[in-house]
Amino acid sequence: NAGVTQTPKFRILKIGQSMTLQCTQDMNHNYMYWYRQDPGMGLKLIYYSVGAGITDKGEVPNGYNVSRSTTEDFPLRLELAAPSQTSVYFCASSPNSYEQYFGPGTRLTVT
Amino acid sequence: RKEVEQDPGPFNVPEGATVAFNCTYSNSASQSFFWYRQDCRKEPKLLMSVYSSGNEDGRFTAQLNRASQYISLLIRDSKLSDSATYLCVVRGYSTLTFGKGTMLLVSP
Repeated sequence: NAGVTQTPKFRILKIGQSMTLQCTQDMNHNYMYWYRQDPGMGLKLIYYSVGAGITDKGEVPNGYNVSRSTTEDFPLRLELAAPSQTSVYFCASSPNSYEQYFGPGTRLTVT
Repeated sequence: RKEVEQDPGPFNVPEGATVAFNCTYSNSASQSFFWYRQDCRKEPKLLMSVYSSGNEDGRFTAQLNRASQYISLLIRDSKLSDSATYLCVVRGYSTLTFGKGTMLLVSP
């Protein structure tokens, strides 16, 4: 099993551009999550999903959108990128909403 | 009061030392607690769950004090490979709240 995979690993965006961060898991987990982690800060939950077709906002959803059309995939969309969205983005999945398994992260810079 | 609070450290200890981290949480209704480990520029990984009666996994011991709303992690016989940031985590409804982490540096 590959676990949780994320693409791309790194990306530089210009202000106002849009992009989609991809997240795929092959563990058949129902729960999936998107976090951002700024330097010296804890993980902040952006969006999460408890199953295909169901998504909900986390602590910091503004400027992001998600969809969950399949169990495996949970893409995160950034519209109109802003410098405040410079961060490391982690996707995670869980079989039961308790232990979470994280992907390797995407490092995004918006300039 | 922040939801999950940790001393950011760093804790600098020599190999073989015993080190303890504490964490406090604000939601008295929280039921599940964890310690995650995060290496520099890597993703967090589950280290261990924390049970009410306390639990041990090799050199690692976790304790929960519900009355005082704090969680602890004790590492015995520290190894160089234990150098990392340790994240205290509290479960809410379908989601986890992460502390900012405590950095541990183990030196030869």
